[in-house]
Amino acid sequence: QKEVEQDPGPLSVPEGAIVSLNCTYSNSAFQYFMWYRQYSRKGPELLMYTYSSGNKEDGRFTAQVDKSSKYISLFIRDSQPSDSATYLCASGGSQGNLIFGKGTKLSVKP
Amino acid sequence: GAVVSQHPSWVICKSGTSVKIECRSLDFQATTMFWYRQFPKQSLMLMATSNEGSKATYEQGVEKDKFLINHASLTLSTLTVTSAHPEDSSFYICSASSGPPNYGYTFGSGTRLTVV
Repeated sequence: QKEVEQDPGPLSVPEGAIVSLNCTYSNSAFQYFMWYRQYSRKGPELLMYTYSSGNKEDGRFTAQVDKSSKYISLFIRDSQPSDSATYLCASGGSQGNLIFGKGTKLSVKP
Repeated sequence: GAVVSQHPSWVICKSGTSVKIECRSLDFQATTMFWYRQFPKQSLMLMATSNEGSKATYEQGVEKDKFLINHASLTLSTLTVTSAHPEDSSFYICSASSGPPNYGYTFGSGTRLTVV
């Protein structure tokens, strides 16, 4: 079992829809959870960063961590065509490296 | 915020030649740098982890003699693809971390290598 699992999609939604992206992780020692966005032929950019359980909101984006079920989510409200990208989740502990999911390709249709 | 500069953005080289890719942390000291490879429509594949002043740790299946990594300072790591072949054509991305516990990874913009 991979340490971080992510459905690769692709996921296609109409403009304005709420998007839900999800990952699961297996290592209960993980404390740091991140979401990266990668546009085609670009390096990933950090979108959201959360520590431990709970929600974090930034504009149209909400990151959610449920440590009891080892579940990580990213919600995008009022999705826009410019949100079309690959979204990667990542998790890590206080030592060691971040482990990345495979990425979910999102397409928001106008 | 933290910025990582990667150079060049793209390079075309002849088969059998070597190519060097640079990764610099511009406004922070990167204790650890990571090199990834990404094939079209696929996720990041970690190739190696390097800590400043020590030898890189390579992932299983990555040839250390082919992909030479040097992390001589806290702001610079280089990846040299030696004796490149067409199958080495890929998108190479570096990332840098200032270290745990409150760390994040900052990625470079990537280098597209085409070997002809």
